[in-house]
Amino acid sequence: QQQVKQSPQSLIVQKGGISIINCAYENTAFDYFPWYQQFPGKGPALLIAIRPDVSEKKEGRFTISFNKSAKQFSLHIMDSQPGDSATYFCAGQTGANNLFFGTGTRLTVIP
Amino acid sequence: GAVVSQHPSRVICKSGTSVKIECRSLDFQATTMFWYRQFPKQSLMLMATSNEGSKATYEQGVEKDKFLINHASLTLSTLTVTSAHPEDSSFYICSAIGTSGRDTQYFGPGTRLTVL
Repeated sequence: QQQVKQSPQSLIVQKGGISIINCAYENTAFDYFPWYQQFPGKGPALLIAIRPDVSEKKEGRFTISFNKSAKQFSLHIMDSQPGDSATYFCAGQTGANNLFFGTGTRLTVIP
Repeated sequence: GAVVSQHPSRVICKSGTSVKIECRSLDFQATTMFWYRQFPKQSLMLMATSNEGSKATYEQGVEKDKFLINHASLTLSTLTVTSAHPEDSSFYICSAIGTSGRDTQYFGPGTRLTVL
């Protein structure tokens, strides 16, 4: 059972454009929502994270929008660059530190 | 800060042999470490959770006698794949959480295991 649903599976964006990745969850016990960036052959690296008491968090070109009532959250990458090309995973985490990953989105930013 | 290393980064072994993968937290003490498995173009699947000084907790469907986990210290956890077979070939990734308790999981760079 996929506890965190992620879409789209793949995304192609022009350089300078906005990349948007969406996630939805069912488990209301989740209280921490990190996003990870993974390059081929590497481990995931924490990109940005949010807790459900906040509706938006911005760090540089990366913004998380969080809708608690809809149980949805999304990652926006502004001014997307070719170096942003990677696979992005959203996740939900419970207080017991169990991390449930989404299925991943392969982002390609074309010059 | 929050650097997690893994060794080796890639290993090739013959079917039937055992392989040990090390996971170290370099600049923090990790009370809890996690082991994941990732198949190509797929998400990470949690295999087990290990707490320092106690037995690991395995996820459903993960054979504990095949995937031996030892968390001997606050900075080191090891995963041993025993009697490896080609179907065990995968990307194994560990992560760690600091002693502050509930916190972000920091991931290692992964180990590519190929069983011939």
